[in-house]
Amino acid sequence: KAGVTQTPRYLIKTRGQQVTLSCSPISGHRSVSWYQQTPGQGLQFLFEYFSETQRNKGNFPGRFSGRQFSNSRSEMNVSTLELGDSALYLCASSLGGSGGKETQYFGPGTRLLVL
Amino acid sequence: DAKTTQPPSMDCAEGRAANLPCNHSTISGNEYVYWYRQIHSQGPQYIIHGLKNNETNEMASLIITEDRKSSTLILPHATLRDTAVYYCIVRSHGSGNTGKLIFGQGTTLQVKP
Repeated sequence: KAGVTQTPRYLIKTRGQQVTLSCSPISGHRSVSWYQQTPGQGLQFLFEYFSETQRNKGNFPGRFSGRQFSNSRSEMNVSTLELGDSALYLCASSLGGSGGKETQYFGPGTRLLVL
Repeated sequence: DAKTTQPPSMDCAEGRAANLPCNHSTISGNEYVYWYRQIHSQGPQYIIHGLKNNETNEMASLIITEDRKSSTLILPHATLRDTAVYYCIVRSHGSGNTGKLIFGQGTTLQVKP
């Protein structure tokens, strides 16, 4: 079974621009979660989508948004980029049910550099 | 979700067992212990998880104390490729905690030849 895939793998943007990152979950997985990893803050949870609905949300400003499509693929968008948004953005998928179906599997990440 | 405490770094000789401790003294009855590792600049890799019984899979063993306040991840025969940051995470299953893992700083394991 193919793992979680993320595109693009690397991205360079300038301040003020917006960016869209894509995540394709493992086949059959319905939950997709997004995380941001920076050297200063570590790995932080952004949000989770399940069946096209945002089910959980971390503590990030409204510039960070996401969506999920009917095939469970997910995108996250960051508008009005700031230098501090430079980070590794990770996507994780899980079956999304309960009773042991919640183990998350991570993709390789998208490394975003904001200049 | 309960907070975890891990040593910031550990060394292990190649071929020996690596024992990584984790304290989670405030864990509640419905919270699971998860272990992930992250090799430099890659996405975290799931290793193992458990509730109260010891667990073993092809990668590692997880030993949880009877009072569940601490656990140990055991890599039985560490190799250089096991050099990574290891994260111990406690989380509950069910509504309100779906899809959210809270990562601490983890333990950097250095396997030496």
